[in-house]
Amino acid sequence: QITFKESGPTLVRPTQTLTLTCTFSGFSLTTRGVAVNWIRQPPGKALEWLALIYWDDDKRYRPSLKSRLSITRDTSKNQVVLTMTDMDPVDTATYYCAHSPGSSSGTGWIDPWGQGSLVTVSS
Amino acid sequence: DIVMTQSPDSLAVSLGERATIDCKSSRSVLYSSNNKNYLAWYQQKPGQPPKLLIYWASTRESGVPDRFSGSGSGTDFTLTISSLQAEDVAVYYCHQFYSTPYTFGQGTNLQIK
Repeated sequence: QITFKESGPTLVRPTQTLTLTCTFSGFSLTTRGVAVNWIRQPPGKALEWLALIYWDDDKRYRPSLKSRLSITRDTSKNQVVLTMTDMDPVDTATYYCAHSPGSSSGTGWIDPWGQGSLVTVSS
Repeated sequence: DIVMTQSPDSLAVSLGERATIDCKSSRSVLYSSNNKNYLAWYQQKPGQPPKLLIYWASTRESGVPDRFSGSGSGTDFTLTISSLQAEDVAVYYCHQFYSTPYTFGQGTNLQIK
């Protein structure tokens, strides 16, 4: 069974850097095709994909946020870390980490998802 | 980026009736090499993370009731709930995993009429 737990601050001041940690179990991030994603959802709004890190440590980012995002992994701890710089109130959202399975058809859909971590950006 | 557009934004259907949600992608999400559509559907209830319903456009996830079905190919897809139950009230999202940046539709809010 795959599980995720997101951890990090619930309140961040504008211009600060957000660091979120996703601790997972039930799979290996070194298995071919597997990826871990970060997705966010502002209150009452739609899902917004932010970044992913692949089994081979390749990384992809949302182009509009690429300059502010960094995703890294620690395979020994089964953790993926997302950092987002220069936080703004519009970045207030629930941040989810989530798994993408690998298969003969490449990296697949996003499932399962963590419970999410609500981050509020306010002075 | 591949833009995903769902219709309608909101939908009210009577219990036991059929609900249909459409999703259109700005580019094809069909890989010709394996003939698979890189399209998934999710259900999200308040206060919960999204739950996977359908992947490869039409493959139902294990444990998902068979009243949920997905269809379509290329750029046009449909999620159908054959007989709406009260527990199906939720927001539904389509998602393309054909290429990064991954993208989602804007969501369809499904309510009981």
